[in-house]
Amino acid sequence: AQKITQTQPGMFVQEKEAVTLDCTYDTSDPSYGLFWYKQPSSGEMIFLIYQGSYDQQNATEGRYSLNFQKARKSANLVISASQLGDSAMYFCAMREGDDKIIFGKGTRLHILP
Amino acid sequence: DAGITQSPRHKVTETGTPVTLRCHQTENHRYMYWYRQDPGHGLRLIHYSYGVKDTDKGEVSDGYSVSRSKTEDFLLTLESATSSQTSVYFCAINRGDDTQYFGPGTRLTVL
Repeated sequence: AQKITQTQPGMFVQEKEAVTLDCTYDTSDPSYGLFWYKQPSSGEMIFLIYQGSYDQQNATEGRYSLNFQKARKSANLVISASQLGDSAMYFCAMREGDDKIIFGKGTRLHILP
Repeated sequence: DAGITQSPRHKVTETGTPVTLRCHQTENHRYMYWYRQDPGHGLRLIHYSYGVKDTDKGEVSDGYSVSRSKTEDFLLTLESATSSQTSVYFCAINRGDDTQYFGPGTRLTVL
């Protein structure tokens, strides 16, 4: 069974609009962490944001925020005021227990001018 | 820049030949990882290390071995490369602040 599910293979969004990328996860470990990464067409993996399972508040980093809904096992990435440079592949990932980090299959985001 | 380098960055090899990929870090972090990335599969964990000579398998470890004789280096070896191992390989480190940073990747083609 998949531990990280990203249900949107691709998304098209108008520039300057907010974007929500979906991620659900599955774990029985009470201690875990959730990550989002961006992979532009150049290929590098860029860390965006992290949320710990015990964190009370949603993580934010500039235009990125993580909408953490623990009971629903959901960790959606929200990008405010999207820009053309946000066009990329986005991966949700989870660390559980022994520091293995498992990735979802990704969502390709296209920002339209 | 998390001080992670990978070598080589590109390699073309033939089926049946051994291949070793190197990951080098400059920050002495304990945890290091090897992933492969393939279309439709995202990133899949091959092996990881939690210290010198301490390694464990990930979800796609068959056909791969690793070694870590020094904190700064984590080697991934394909003993006898197959075409199914054509992929982009990423090394990553855990910086201990719950963030994981990736190297630039190695594109491996097995003919």
